Amino acid sequence: GDSVTQMEGPVTLSEEAFLTINCTYTATGYPSLFWYVQYPGEGLQLLLKATKADDKGSNKGFEATYRKETTSFHLEKGSVQVSDSAVYFCALSSPYNAGNMLTFGGGTRLMVKP
Amino acid sequence: GAVVSQHPSRVICKSGTSVKIECRSLDFQATTMFWYRQFPKQSLMLMATSNEGSKATYEQGVEKDKFLINHASLTLSTLTVTSAHPEDSSFYICSASPVVSGPETQYFGPGTRLLVL
Repeated sequence: GDSVTQMEGPVTLSEEAFLTINCTYTATGYPSLFWYVQYPGEGLQLLLKATKADDKGSNKGFEATYRKETTSFHLEKGSVQVSDSAVYFCALSSPYNAGNMLTFGGGTRLMVKP
Repeated sequence: GAVVSQHPSRVICKSGTSVKIECRSLDFQATTMFWYRQFPKQSLMLMATSNEGSKATYEQGVEKDKFLINHASLTLSTLTVTSAHPEDSSFYICSASPVVSGPETQYFGPGTRLLVL
């Protein structure tokens, strides 16, 4: 079945540091890939997405590129801020899944210190 | 943006009792709602998909008689954990989708933490 693996946290960085959160996936066919973010006390929010190979999703300074050859969708940001502290979830949706089913990774907590 | 609320945010109950969790879409009508369960440091696992006015579709391994889902209106879905036991303690998250389209249209609630003593 489909699965998503992402690096375990917490990831602790100083403000303005470079961020990478690794995400790899296993799926049949060509899934769509997503990054969701969950700020403390809030629901998951879609951060960015990519629907085909070599697509780059970007939002709020975050980027991730759909790499079919390495089955990866790593999240990056050049300069993190304290306000980026949250839990980040990588997810996929396979065209072979019915409806709007999402398969999530385990989540990675990011802590940014001033 | 679209807002989904859950109530309660946290509940503690005795073993053997039933607990109801509400999921509401506050500013849109949700054709489909999803219920997820999340264990500590683990993925969100889809439990069931519910469409307004019809029976929920449960994922493999999820007991439908244990986790009762009702989606009686386009803005409300409820999850009832019946005869709860300590192993049911978990974080339950709902999401709502306003139209039958891609998963990026799922809006998530903040979650409900259930502790069964």
